[in-house]
Amino acid sequence: AQSVAQPEDQVNVAEGNPLTVKCTYSVSGNPYLFWYVQYPNRGLQFLLKYITGDNLVKGSYGFEAEFNKSQTSFHLKKPSALVSDSALYFCAVRDVDAGNMLTFGGGTRLMVKP
Amino acid sequence: EAGVAQSPRYKIIEKRQSVAFWCNPISGHATLYWYQQILGQGPKLLIQFQNNGVVDDSQLPKDRFSAERLKGVDSTLKIQPAKLEDSAVYLCASMGPGQGGTGELFFGEGSRLTVL
Repeated sequence: AQSVAQPEDQVNVAEGNPLTVKCTYSVSGNPYLFWYVQYPNRGLQFLLKYITGDNLVKGSYGFEAEFNKSQTSFHLKKPSALVSDSALYFCAVRDVDAGNMLTFGGGTRLMVKP
Repeated sequence: EAGVAQSPRYKIIEKRQSVAFWCNPISGHATLYWYQQILGQGPKLLIQFQNNGVVDDSQLPKDRFSAERLKGVDSTLKIQPAKLEDSAVYLCASMGPGQGGTGELFFGEGSRLTVL
């Protein structure tokens, strides 16, 4: 069975500072990894994904994430946070060998303060 | 390109009543998903369709939930009878064809259900 853990319910950061939102995963095969963002009363929006190749992937709005196979992690990062980045962030995993089911973590609320 | 359309956006019912949610995916998207998102939690997959066939419904409470995608395009999710614990946002998502599992899901804005 595949699973995702987001160990922090909330991350607080000052505007202009770097941010990291943590994610670890568990799959039996090779993972496809995704990050989504959710604004209030909205559906989920795709940010970025890791499929294969370079461990550092870049996505929308200046976000990037680093795949670390040995630590089974896929942390989301941004060099300089904006107040408008405040939202709910979800990490998700798909086991390459287990169909197209996408499993989500519990989410991390990012609060960026001016 | 039009996104994933869902309706209604909000629904309030009393327990034991029934409710239906509708989803129209992005044109040409063969794979359609229904997720349940309870407040403060991540989305949980209820059912996955490939065209008009069910791929995975292992987490669908089949005694009260049903879903169909008769013509392989739009889909309906029904709850009958509703329980208090069904209060949640029901998210529909679709994925393009031929992605081999690498594709991202495109989500609708969701249907928020409140069961009183």
